[in-house]
Amino acid sequence: GQQLNQSPQSMFIQEGEDVSMNCTSSSIFNTWLWYKQEPGEGPVLLIALYKAGELTSNGRLTAQFGITRKDSFLNISASIPSDVGIYFCAGLNYGGSQGNLIFGKGTKLSVKP
Amino acid sequence: NAGVTQTPKFRVLKTGQSMTLLCAQDMNHEYMYWYRQDPGMGLRLIHYSVGEGTTAKGEVPDGYNVSRLKKQNFLLGLESAAPSQTSVYFCASSERQGSIYGYTFGSGTRLTVV
Repeated sequence: GQQLNQSPQSMFIQEGEDVSMNCTSSSIFNTWLWYKQEPGEGPVLLIALYKAGELTSNGRLTAQFGITRKDSFLNISASIPSDVGIYFCAGLNYGGSQGNLIFGKGTKLSVKP
Repeated sequence: NAGVTQTPKFRVLKTGQSMTLLCAQDMNHEYMYWYRQDPGMGLRLIHYSVGEGTTAKGEVPDGYNVSRLKKQNFLLGLESAAPSQTSVYFCASSERQGSIYGYTFGSGTRLTVV
């Protein structure tokens, strides 16, 4: 089945640093989504991308839908302690028996004040 | 507006016991999903439903059963719990297949099987 490779698995950074993480796939996706999961909670949608090449921002977060439609990137600028959590990418294909999200294994972010 | 509500939040079972996890959504979503989350494994789809009265298998369905008798509820059953089913279980819902808003998740049920 389809798989997403998300990297890095974990990051330990200093408050104020910028963060980059990415997701790659051998398959093409129509939509890329980025979720954040805080401890003890379910994932919450951060950014959704619908078009190849699209660059979308949500506050200090910026995500891009790769031109090949096989990858996506998430950047967090000027990190703060509340950015701590697990960030998941997810790819979505429409139609047929697909239409379910395929999730990456997550990037665990730790921010040192 | 509660979104997706899961009950219970925590549960400890003995091997061989059965239990049902309840998921309720108040957004009138057609699609509902059950995932399990294990360290280093991300989220894996157990079963899903594309509408009231329908269910389908996901990636890791063995040992679980589901029912969607009402549109707003999606139940996950463990017939005979095993330690390998120790996990955090998340329910999610979406408007339709390929919803541009992705999925809305509940806050999870932490299950320990001893």
